[in-house]
Amino acid sequence: NAGVTQTPKFQVLKTGQSMTLQCAQDMNHEYMSWYRQDPGMGLRLIHYSVGAGITDQGEVPNGYNVSRSTTEDFPLRLLSAAPSQTSVYFCASTAGVDEQYFGPGTRLTVT
Amino acid sequence: GENVEQHPSTLSVQEGDSAVIKCTYSDSASNYFPWYKQELGKGPQLIIDIRSNVGEKKDQRIAVTLNKTAKHFSLHITETQPEDSAVYFCAASRGGYQKVTFGIGTKLQVIP
Repeated sequence: NAGVTQTPKFQVLKTGQSMTLQCAQDMNHEYMSWYRQDPGMGLRLIHYSVGAGITDQGEVPNGYNVSRSTTEDFPLRLLSAAPSQTSVYFCASTAGVDEQYFGPGTRLTVT
Repeated sequence: GENVEQHPSTLSVQEGDSAVIKCTYSDSASNYFPWYKQELGKGPQLIIDIRSNVGEKKDQRIAVTLNKTAKHFSLHITETQPEDSAVYFCAASRGGYQKVTFGIGTKLQVIP
């Protein structure tokens, strides 16, 4: 049982490039979410999904896309990277009603 | 939407002393209040949570209190140890897969 896994661990992009951050969980959780963590701002919700085929926007969705074709996977796509998207990204899945399990994070730098 | 304020932003204590982190929330419908610990280079990990039908919850050296009337909740760590050094986040939600709103975090340093 690996829990929540994220790849890559580190990534450097140039402005305008696109990429996909991968997230997978093996706990059969329905609810998954993506957060970004910036200094002094805590964790802010980007997008979330309550099940396969269902996604919705969080607090800071602009510049990001998500899809949920399976229960296990919830990739986050950056369409055209900007320096403002430099951040640490965390994926989480939720057990039962509320308890969230976080992945180890992806540190993204956009130059 | 929900707004969660957390303070202090940094906290230094001597080993063996107690540490207290306080949070306030704005949405009176919030009923689930988790606390997360984040060690350097890792994702947040749930350490304790409390629901609005409970005023206090304890797990060994960690306790959380909730005052629904005042809309604030606190994390108490007793007999602090160096391994307690980390960033701690409070959060609030309406529960049941509703969005979770986080505080900005408190960096706790326990000085040996």
